[in-house]
Amino acid sequence: GAGVSQSPSNKVTEKGKDVELRCDPISGHTALYWYRQSLGQGLEFLIYFQGNSAPDKSGLPSDRFSAERTGGSVSTLTIQRTQQEDSAVYLCASSRRAQGEWGTEAFFGQGTRLTVV
Amino acid sequence: AQKVTQAQTEISVVEKEDVTLDCVYETRDTTYYLFWYKQPPSGELVFLIRRNSFDEQNEISGRYSWNFQKSTSSFNFTITASQVVDSAVYFCALSEGSGGSNYKLTFGKGTLLTVNP
Repeated sequence: GAGVSQSPSNKVTEKGKDVELRCDPISGHTALYWYRQSLGQGLEFLIYFQGNSAPDKSGLPSDRFSAERTGGSVSTLTIQRTQQEDSAVYLCASSRRAQGEWGTEAFFGQGTRLTVV
Repeated sequence: AQKVTQAQTEISVVEKEDVTLDCVYETRDTTYYLFWYKQPPSGELVFLIRRNSFDEQNEISGRYSWNFQKSTSSFNFTITASQVVDSAVYFCALSEGSGGSNYKLTFGKGTLLTVNP
């Protein structure tokens, strides 16, 4: 597709349930990022993929959060046993950034708004 | 540690007014990139500009202009003759050039700009 695509756009889940958020990056972009946007914390980095590997998972807030990327393309962010504080907009971005390169602009999707009730 | 401060939480102007959005950054790195993104109500972050730390030339793109001053660690954004379509949240962001985390964006909290007709 022309841009970064995320699904679902909105997700309401009950506390304690698991959720999966999907990201389709721009074709050919090797780097993929997940960020979280919440009222109190602003935009926070979660995880970075280069190809299928994740050299930096330092932003994942707890071990309930995990992410994978397959085929150097689609990525899934999974949150297990969701809590109310997980409610936020989860944004995915991709860039042409090669390993070691810096400053390439990232293109963002429209995000998934997660509400945990 | 790097930090981006956008002191203006909300700004409201009347159409055709000029408006400046402030951004102050902190970094120990001598090489870094600065970015501005626009987030309209639809949610995706739209890339506006990228500047590296070696280039202090101001930039103009249509009604948009950016003033980068290393002496004050600022990267301010001015919209001339604002329009209703400029209403959005604007984010300033920083990525450090050296070290192992040059892919990561550190965002300010954002400035909500409302342009009234």
